[in-house]
Amino acid sequence: GAVVSQHPSRVICKSGTSVKIECRSLDFQATTMFWYRQFPKQSLMLMATSNEGSKATYEQGVEKDKFLINHASLTLSTLTVTSAHPEDSSFYICSARAILAPSSYEQYFGPGTRLTVT
Amino acid sequence: QKEVEQNSGPLSVPEGAIASLNCTYSDRGSQSFFWYRQYSGKSPELIMSIYSNGDKEDGRFTAQLNKASQYVSLLIRDSQPSDSATYLCAVKVDSSYKLIFGSGTRLLVRP
Repeated sequence: GAVVSQHPSRVICKSGTSVKIECRSLDFQATTMFWYRQFPKQSLMLMATSNEGSKATYEQGVEKDKFLINHASLTLSTLTVTSAHPEDSSFYICSARAILAPSSYEQYFGPGTRLTVT
Repeated sequence: QKEVEQNSGPLSVPEGAIASLNCTYSDRGSQSFFWYRQYSGKSPELIMSIYSNGDKEDGRFTAQLNKASQYVSLLIRDSQPSDSATYLCAVKVDSSYKLIFGSGTRLLVRP
């Protein structure tokens, strides 16, 4: 149980283009999803918290117009990196919190998406 | 600024030994704590959660929590080379569902 998928797993795009990353909870409903970014040899950095049907809450310093988050259903959240630049190259990971889980504070992570902007 | 501190390591132990990983946190009001394992190039995987003072055991893993000392640890018994990974400590923030992650401790289990 508690499986989260992400697509694509790896993407290479040209500078100035946009990239959409999907995060799905496969066997549970997720009222809250989180998007993280991780640079090499660094820890996870929370970018935003996404609640189904409402606007995402972004962490300080994260540009909401650049990183568009949509949480349209209880099993799907998307992150769109708009006008990507090489400095946006990173490992993007989503996580989900299950509704009505016995330990509802636990977050289950997707496998991550490695973005390379050339 | 709420913080979670971990020694970056690497912590090197021989196969079969007990590995002890430690984590301290700054927010005295924190109530929920988590240990994740992250293999190189992969995403974090939840190992255990702990909410009450004391020990919680799950297989070869034991989480220990001491809220008075603001300290949480993870013991791995009978360490295996496959346990070699980075172990992340995470603490739930306030009344939100956000987690603050430590920078992780790299564990190396020598065959």
